[in-house]
Amino acid sequence: NAGVTQTPKFRVLKTGQSMTLLCAQDMNHEYMYWYRQDPGMGLRLIHYSVGEGTTAKGEVPDGYNVSRLKKQNFLLGLESAAPSQTSVYFCASRPRDRDGRNSPLHFGNGTRLTVT
Amino acid sequence: GQNIDQPTEMTATEGAIVQINCTYQTSGFNGLFWYQQHAGEAPTFLSYNVLDGLEEKGRFSSFLSRSKGYSYLLLKELQMKDSASYLCAVRPFSNDYKLSFGAGTTVTVRA
Repeated sequence: NAGVTQTPKFRVLKTGQSMTLLCAQDMNHEYMYWYRQDPGMGLRLIHYSVGEGTTAKGEVPDGYNVSRLKKQNFLLGLESAAPSQTSVYFCASRPRDRDGRNSPLHFGNGTRLTVT
Repeated sequence: GQNIDQPTEMTATEGAIVQINCTYQTSGFNGLFWYQQHAGEAPTFLSYNVLDGLEEKGRFSSFLSRSKGYSYLLLKELQMKDSASYLCAVRPFSNDYKLSFGAGTTVTVRA
């Protein structure tokens, strides 16, 4: 049981390049999330998904796209990278709440992206 | 947003107690969560509160007052391994799927 796995762990891009970050979870969780974390600003939600084939915008969605074609995978795409997108990206997942208890997020280990 | 405020940094001595405060502004929420994040690692879940009062989990306790928009995380018998960032997060009524985080409090434990 690997939990939430993110690839790659590190990446350096030049301005204007594109890339896709992959998140995979093996816990059969319904909900998946992409956050970015910057110094002094905490975790900010980029996009999220409440089920296979569905996605929704978070707080800071501009410049990113996502897809959830399979329940276990959630992809984050940068079509034209900008230096402002230099950050640490975390994927997270959680199951539906059950028995009246809130279910916590399970995080991947992060992807450190630098855009020059 | 939920305007979640936490102190930026705190320092305490090994064996002592530290209280990390979190205040928030939201019309209602479905839960307040605390996460721990060691430098360079992923956040991990510590505790959550839905109702007012204290939730205890070993050396860590979390308190919530919904009328005051206030929570705190209490760390007792501090150990060096407790040096980390502690993140307060809220799930609002307006969108129960989302979890909004504060900027985090970095706690440094000194010998």
